[in-house]
Amino acid sequence: DGGITQSPKYLFRKEGQNVTLSCEQNLNHDAMYWYRQDPGQGLRLIYYSQIVNDFQKGDIAEGYSVSREKKESFPLTVTSAQKNPTAFYLCASSSGAVPTSEAFFGQGTRLTVV
Amino acid sequence: DQQVKQNSPSLSVQEGRISILNCDYTNSMFDYFLWYKKYPAEGPTFLISISSIKDKNEDGRFTVFLNKSAKHLSLHIVPSQPGDSAVYFCAASAWNSGNTPLVFGKGTRLSVIA
Repeated sequence: DGGITQSPKYLFRKEGQNVTLSCEQNLNHDAMYWYRQDPGQGLRLIYYSQIVNDFQKGDIAEGYSVSREKKESFPLTVTSAQKNPTAFYLCASSSGAVPTSEAFFGQGTRLTVV
Repeated sequence: DQQVKQNSPSLSVQEGRISILNCDYTNSMFDYFLWYKKYPAEGPTFLISISSIKDKNEDGRFTVFLNKSAKHLSLHIVPSQPGDSAVYFCAASAWNSGNTPLVFGKGTRLSVIA
């Protein structure tokens, strides 16, 4: 079954620690994205990558880092510099084909800083 | 500044009646619009989309209308069913400007009352 998988579903982190959220897709999509959802805030773009070994900052990239070494994988690291990391994180992918195709989302990772 | 606005945080509708969810945008470069449905603690799922060359797109009970001059789109669900109760996100992208990532509104929580 093709899809996009995020792991883990729930993650707890102590303040001051870095943590990496996993995102894998087997849809052969070129583009991948990370969004963050906070109550009443909708989905805000953190980083995106339209091709392997290339990525761009989104609207709220501060305190986050990503890598895109493989087409299938786009891990997100939440660093200790992120002031308010507790949130629901969503990874998505799209083919980037003409016209713009819909983005497919994973099931999300809820990160809680304790 | 929000480029995609959903000004109604919530909406309640009787089962069998029509649900109308509204969305406004400010960026005139947006040329592709999508609606996503989201349940709690899950990723959004794609519902329906419309390109700026059209003013209407229909898929079963779901119809999206686009008014480019007013920079407004709406999602009509008829007849509404209890299973439609979820948060609905409007999203937009500027495909002709380089297939930019989706920009999301803050969402409207729809409650369909049996």
